[in-house]
Amino acid sequence: AQSVTQLDSQVPVFEEAPVELRCNYSSSVSVYLFWYVQYPNQGLQLLLKYLSGSTLVKGINGFEAEFNKSQTSFHLRKPSVHISDTAEYFCAVSVITGTASKLTFGTGTRLQVTL
Amino acid sequence: EAGVTQFPSHSVIEKGQTVTLRCDPISGHDNLYWYRRVMGKEIKFLLHFVKESKQDESGMPNNRFLAERTGGTYSTLKVQPAELEDSGVYFCASSQAFVTVMNTEAFFGQGTRLTVV
Repeated sequence: AQSVTQLDSQVPVFEEAPVELRCNYSSSVSVYLFWYVQYPNQGLQLLLKYLSGSTLVKGINGFEAEFNKSQTSFHLRKPSVHISDTAEYFCAVSVITGTASKLTFGTGTRLQVTL
Repeated sequence: EAGVTQFPSHSVIEKGQTVTLRCDPISGHDNLYWYRRVMGKEIKFLLHFVKESKQDESGMPNNRFLAERTGGTYSTLKVQPAELEDSGVYFCASSQAFVTVMNTEAFFGQGTRLTVV
């Protein structure tokens, strides 16, 4: 079975500081990894995804993530955060079985950016 | 273009009552998914439709939950009778193809917050 672990439930950070949100996965088959963000009172929005190819994936809003197969990680990074990045972030892995598809999510990391 | 729309945004019902949640996917999206997040826990998959056909309903908690997608357009998720542990946020998502296809994205609705008292 495929699963995702987000080690940090909350990450406080000052504005303009760098941030890394950690995600580790377990999978016995091909790995497709995603990061989603949920702003207050909104649905989930895709930040970026890794399907294949370059292990460094760039997403929206200045975020990037690196797929590391040996460490089974897919950490999300941003070199300088803004107040508007305050949100909950979810790492997910896609599972495909036959004609069905689903996302398996981690428990989420709340990023709190302060001045 | 309208996004994924869910109705209602909030619902408070008593234990034993019936509630029906609705999801209108993005037009043309054959794939429709239901997920649920119980407070403080991970977002969990409930089921996956392709058009009107259920491809995977392995995440449905029990037979009190019934999902339909008549005509392959909007979908409903009925909980009957509701129990306290059914409380949570129910998300719907839709996509044109599987999310593992390049340039394909699953778009999520804002969710329905269900509270069973």
